This record gives sequence, C-alpha cells and structure tokens, in this order.
Amino acid sequence: QQQVKQSPQSLIVQKGGIPIINCAYENTAFDYFPWYQQFPGKGPALLIAIRPDVSEKKEGRFTISFNKSAKQFSLHIMDSQPGDSATYFCAASKTSGTYKYIFGTGTRLKVLA
Amino acid sequence: GAGVSQSPSNKVTEKGKDVELRCDPISGHTALYWYRQSLGQGLEFLIYFQGNSAPDKSGLPSDRFSAERTGGSVSTLTIQRTQQEDSAVYLCASSRGILQETQYFGPGTRLLVL
Repeated sequence: QQQVKQSPQSLIVQKGGIPIINCAYENTAFDYFPWYQQFPGKGPALLIAIRPDVSEKKEGRFTISFNKSAKQFSLHIMDSQPGDSATYFCAASKTSGTYKYIFGTGTRLKVLA
Repeated sequence: GAGVSQSPSNKVTEKGKDVELRCDPISGHTALYWYRQSLGQGLEFLIYFQGNSAPDKSGLPSDRFSAERTGGSVSTLTIQRTQQEDSAVYLCASSRGILQETQYFGPGTRLLVL
C-alpha cells in the first residue's frame, strides 16, 4: 500500500516532443504529490507538485495531470529541450505524521537535439 | 540562506568499518530527512526528525544504522560495521516543518564499501 509505481523506466524523445511519465499509488491517504528532477551527481530538485483537490497544474513547460479516482498522476513536459535530459522521480506523501516521501523508481529521460 | 549541504561528498571505506555522514539543513528548517539511493533505484526513506519530537526511524534497514540531530540543526547518519550492500548515495533533505511539504535535498554523499 505504500508503493508508488512509475513508468516508463527510460524515455527518449526528439527536441520539441512531449514526454509523459506516469505514476500510480495505492494509499488513498496520500495528499501531496511532488515531482523531482535529478541531474547526474546532484541531489533531486523540486520541479512541480500537486494536491488531489485539483486535476491539473501547470508551471512553465511542466504540467501535472491528476486522476484521483484512478489514483494516477503524470508529468508532461511541453516543448522538451536537451537540457531537460535528467532522471525524474514522482513521489507521494501524507501531510500529517512523518511527511516522508514514497518515491517512484525514476524515469531516465533523454531529449535528442 | 544556502541550501542543504552534506559532507563528505564521497566516502570510500572497507567492509566492517564505521562511517559518519553529515547533513547541514537549510537555516530555520525544523524537519530533516535521510534517504538512500542505490544504483539505478529510487529513493528509500531512512529516518525523519521534526523539532524536538522523537525521530521516525521506521526506514532504517538494520540496527547498524543510526542517526542523531544535535541542537535541532546538524544531523549525523552513522553506519556501523559497513557492508558492501550499504554502498549507495545517502541524501539529506530538509523542510520548514509541519504542513510545509516541500523537501529540499542536498547533493548527497556517495558511499562505496569495498
């Protein structure tokens, strides 16, 4: 019940394409869903986050779509650039208690120039 | 102020030795987390500190792992009698505290146990 399943493991797109990364969770108590971006040798950095009271959130070229009934959420990167090549992690947490993140296993994205 | 800092950035040790990893959270952040990232894997929660409350140690994989946080700021993660399977990147994160969900991560300590 604590798992967050992330797919695909890796993704290659052409510059300008729209990569989509999907995550699914089981625990309905989760109420905060962040996405982190990690470059090699660096720590993860928050990209965008959503709460389950909205179905979509946009920040720049990044959009989260959230389907509460299906317990799924996804990250879309519009007009992807080679600089977006990184590993992306979804996570889920409860905003009560420990707030620890349960992370997906990550998606390695490569955007070709 | 500055972001989360961790030291050392890299650590190579021999099997059976003890290691200490240090984390300096963002100033004013009361919550501190340790995670472990194994090669090609996601991030695994280890331990959580919030203010003066008892830490949540539910993620520690064995009793060889321990952590403390002195004065509500700096934290040290200690691994005793290291094993090769302990090789990983150990990441520290901090957040402003209760109801402040965003966690800010440090660059990590890359631990290699030979």
